[in-house]
Order: sequence, then structure tokens, then C-alpha cells
Amino acid sequence: GEDVEQSLFLSVREGDSSVINCTYTDSSSTYLYWYKQEPGAGLQLLTYIFSNMDMKQDQRLTVLLNKKDKHLSLRIADTQTGDSAIYFCADYSSASKIIFGSGTRLSIRP
Amino acid sequence: EPEVTQTPSHQVTQMGQEVILRCVPISNHLYFYWYRQILGQKVEFLVSFYNNEISEKSEIFDDQFSVERPDGSNFTLKIRSTKLEDSAMYFCASNPLTPSTGNHLSGANVLTFGAGSRLTVL
Repeated sequence: GEDVEQSLFLSVREGDSSVINCTYTDSSSTYLYWYKQEPGAGLQLLTYIFSNMDMKQDQRLTVLLNKKDKHLSLRIADTQTGDSAIYFCADYSSASKIIFGSGTRLSIRP
Repeated sequence: EPEVTQTPSHQVTQMGQEVILRCVPISNHLYFYWYRQILGQKVEFLVSFYNNEISEKSEIFDDQFSVERPDGSNFTLKIRSTKLEDSAMYFCASNPLTPSTGNHLSGANVLTFGAGSRLTVL
């Protein structure tokens, strides 16, 4: 079945850029999402990209999609302590099922 | 801003008991979902629901689980005969799935999640 894979941890220095990577297996993905989960909270949509796009930029966030390699990345510029959270990649191929990765825990070093 | 509401926020139950988790999706949304997240693990798809029936379910969603939309606003997840391993955070989500406007950046097909219901089975 479909799968979404992410590395579990990422540590960056405050002010640096963070790059969180995701790979997926579904060839019929139409949307790919990034959700953020802060401690004890639910899932908050950060951004998404439609599958016919290569890149989407939204303020400090840049999403890159390599559809050939089925690779998605989220770049956070000028990472701040408030960016500490778990970031989930999610694959939407049909409305009936959206698959999430295991999440990447981003920690920020002073 | 419209939101998905879940109750209770935390439920503690004894093994073998039945629990019902409730969700009020966003009112004009058409697709509803339940996901669960065991502590520290990935967010797992359980079931999706559309037009008053299950659209798709995962292998986790066995006969122990059922969903219902008993009225025009609530969407419930029932877990019968709870087990220790059912302890998790359960998230409800809804999706507007509006008719295509030709604008793929319209925000359609974006899941909005509730804050979750934490289930603890003792």
C-alpha cells in the first residue's frame, strides 16, 4: 500500500534554515501537505502543494516537490524557537484516504 | 475561523469498556475522518466517511470500531471492548471537498483537524 517516510529527528541552530525531507510511494498523489504538531496539540496545516507544481513559497516556508523521485521537502528559513514541533508530511491521492508520515521532530539549538 | 470540535478531550476507561468519541466537523464539509496517534508514534488513518457511509478504512479499523453520523452535526467513533493498546490520541478531521472551481489553490481538499481526544485504557 501507500507509504510516506520521514527522518525522525532534525536539530538546527536558531537562525539557520531547516530542511525536512519526505518520500512517498503513491504515483497518483494529487496534493502533498505539511502539518505541524506542537506538544500536546492537534495537527495544524502549514502548507500544501499540488502535484503539478515544483515549488511553492509562503513567507519563511519553501516546499519543493520532485515528482519523478517522489520526494518532498519543507525548508524553513531563519528557524526560530517557536518552530520547534513535529512536522508531518501527508499524501493525498483521494479524498477517502490521506496518509501521514511518522513525523520529523525539529529541535532548535541556541 | 471554523473549527472541528472534539469531545471529550481526555477519557479514562477500564479495559473491556466501550467508549464513544465525538466530533463536530465544520458544517459545510462533506468528508470526515478518524485518525489515531499512539504516544510518540505516527498518525495512523482509521476511517473516512462520506455521504453517510464508510468510504475507506484501514486494517486497524476492525469490528471493534464503528462510526456513525447520528444527526446532522455529530460524527462519532465507537470503540467496543477497549484494550490497553487502544490508548492513543484520536483525531477527527473534515474536508470540504468542494466542487472543483478550477483553482487548485482554493483550499479545497484540505483536512482540518480537531484538537484530539486522548483515550487512556487502564
